[in-house]
Amino acid sequence: KQEVTQIPAALSVPEGENLVLNCSFTDSAIYNLQWFRQDPGKGLTSLLLIQSSQREQTSGRLNASLDKSSGRSTLYIAASQPGDSATYLCAVKGGGSRLTFGEGTQLTVNP
Amino acid sequence: DTEVTQTPKHLVMGMTNKKSLKCEQHMGHRAMYWYKQKAKKPPELMFVYSYEKLSINESVPSRFSPECPNSSLLNLHLHALQPEDSALYLCASSQLAGGPGETQYFGPGTRLLVL
Repeated sequence: KQEVTQIPAALSVPEGENLVLNCSFTDSAIYNLQWFRQDPGKGLTSLLLIQSSQREQTSGRLNASLDKSSGRSTLYIAASQPGDSATYLCAVKGGGSRLTFGEGTQLTVNP
Repeated sequence: DTEVTQTPKHLVMGMTNKKSLKCEQHMGHRAMYWYKQKAKKPPELMFVYSYEKLSINESVPSRFSPECPNSSLLNLHLHALQPEDSALYLCASSQLAGGPGETQYFGPGTRLLVL
């Protein structure tokens, strides 16, 4: 059974800092890995999707990497802003349509 | 239009009530999903519809009854719920169920409180 772990569970940083969120998964037989953002009480917004054949994806200040063999992904956020404060969820997709989510990292960026 | 809409945004119901949650997408997606999310926990998959047919039921109690009337619409009928069913209910859609490059698009959710 796939298990996804996110470290740290919570992170508080000053504005402008570069930061890294970590995601690890136990079964490397994945189709893709997706990073989502969730604001309190809201739905999930997809940030980046990395297919299993890819190593990284970039969107603006966000960069996600995938090392399938070691079961790890990182989400790098450059020059963090207070508006980046949210919970970040990592999800892996195996065969079929199931996503397995991590518990999330709650990020607070302080002005 | 990359939007999944959900109604209502909030719902309060008693344990004897019958209510329905509605989800709609107009992206031409053929897979639609219901998730349940408790506070500070990740979403848990409940049901998957693929081409308007139920393909996955994650052993969800029968007091939750999904329905997919057409390719754009997904309902979740609720009956005789328990207080522990209070949660955020999220709907999602994707182009197909199972493609390696597919992204699931989530709606804003319905916040349900069962009294």
